[in-house]
Amino acid sequence: SQQGEEDPQALSIQEGENATMNCSYKTSINNLQWYRQNSGRGLVHLILIRSNEREKHSGRLRVTLDTSKKSSSLLITASRAADTASYFCATDASGGYNKLIFGAGTRLAVHP
Amino acid sequence: DGGITQSPKYLFRKEGQNVTLSCEQNLNHDAMYWYRQDPGQGLRLIYYSQIVNDFQKGDIAEGYSVSREKKESFPLTVTSAQKNPTAFYLCASRPQAGTQDTQYFGPGTRLTVL
Repeated sequence: SQQGEEDPQALSIQEGENATMNCSYKTSINNLQWYRQNSGRGLVHLILIRSNEREKHSGRLRVTLDTSKKSSSLLITASRAADTASYFCATDASGGYNKLIFGAGTRLAVHP
Repeated sequence: DGGITQSPKYLFRKEGQNVTLSCEQNLNHDAMYWYRQDPGQGLRLIYYSQIVNDFQKGDIAEGYSVSREKKESFPLTVTSAQKNPTAFYLCASRPQAGTQDTQYFGPGTRLTVL
């Protein structure tokens, strides 16, 4: 089974609203990464948060990590129609071969 | 999509045929990866390579093969043994395996079996 599980599976909001996506995982990690995918395209890296970090910001993005609950959240503030995409969390597990394990993603639709 | 190119963008295969998907990177990255994505799902790892002339199976390697003869190239062959090959295939690279680096993805190849 996949390491990361995103919630919700789909999210529909209006421009200007905030969007929050959650990710849960099962095993210890080195870091957790969030990626974005526009329909039919490759993935674009958004942000990486290490296991010893609790919060990280990048522009309108805010990521939190709670290793005790094995969960992370991605907040997009003041959303725009251009933010419409699928968002994936991926965990880089401790040990192993530094491979990323992806969740199924959250499909975000931002309406003008 | 960085300095990773995948070709072709769309590929159609008849049942029983082998096909090879190209992945090239000019980022001087050591590690390269192949993922498969099915509709509405996340990515699953097929094969990965941490260094030239070395590669390991990922979670769903059956029916696939790879080679890593050059640092910049990591082609994926989808063989006739892969029972359900229709999917979106993504190649990625990373500066160095064993470090906490991000992966950089190519634009993908959509494979359809006719």
